[in-house]
Amino acid sequence: GENVEQHPSTLSVQEGDSAVIKCTYSDSASNYFPWYKQELGKRPQLIIDIRSNVGEKKDQRIAVTLNKTAKHFSLHITETQPEDSAVYFCAAIKGAQKLVFGQGTRLTINP
Amino acid sequence: DTGVSQDPRHKITKRGQNVTFRCDPISEHNRLYWYRQTLGQGPEFLTYFQNEAQLEKSRLLSDRFSAERPKGSFSTLEIQRTEQGDSAMYLCASSFQTGGGEGGYTFGSGTRLTVV
Repeated sequence: GENVEQHPSTLSVQEGDSAVIKCTYSDSASNYFPWYKQELGKRPQLIIDIRSNVGEKKDQRIAVTLNKTAKHFSLHITETQPEDSAVYFCAAIKGAQKLVFGQGTRLTINP
Repeated sequence: DTGVSQDPRHKITKRGQNVTFRCDPISEHNRLYWYRQTLGQGPEFLTYFQNEAQLEKSRLLSDRFSAERPKGSFSTLEIQRTEQGDSAMYLCASSFQTGGGEGGYTFGSGTRLTVV
């Protein structure tokens, strides 16, 4: 089955700097890659997603890139703000099967 | 219908007791998923339903766990003879899936289970 690896497990950046979180997946047939943000004690919330027919997608300060050949995808957050502090999860899915999540990255934005 | 609802939000139980959680998905969604999340980890798949049919159950799930979705609407997850290792956040999510299409999940707020 699908396996998703996520790095780093923790990331600390200065406010205003950029943050990058990387994930790799094992099943080349996976075709949908969402990213979730989870604040302490709250539910995971979808922040951006990308499908396998697209190489990059951007939404204001966040962007996701996908390299199908290398089977990896990344989340980029620019001009980070304190409210970006949270745990971020990547995930992958093949067709109509279930989402498989990475282990998560705890992002801390230092003022 | 404002989202996925889970009840209760918190449950403390003694080891050996049975517990049951409920999830009400978004009404238009045909798929319902149960995940378990422990501190510092990503959500771990337990089982999912398409309408009332349980399509997959994780091999990690022991026979003490059972889930139902009798009318294709709400779902219940029961854990029998709870153990301390069952302590976790149990997350429910729903989505609308077509035959070959992926779709975004909407998560509920979860039920935090503590087994003492």
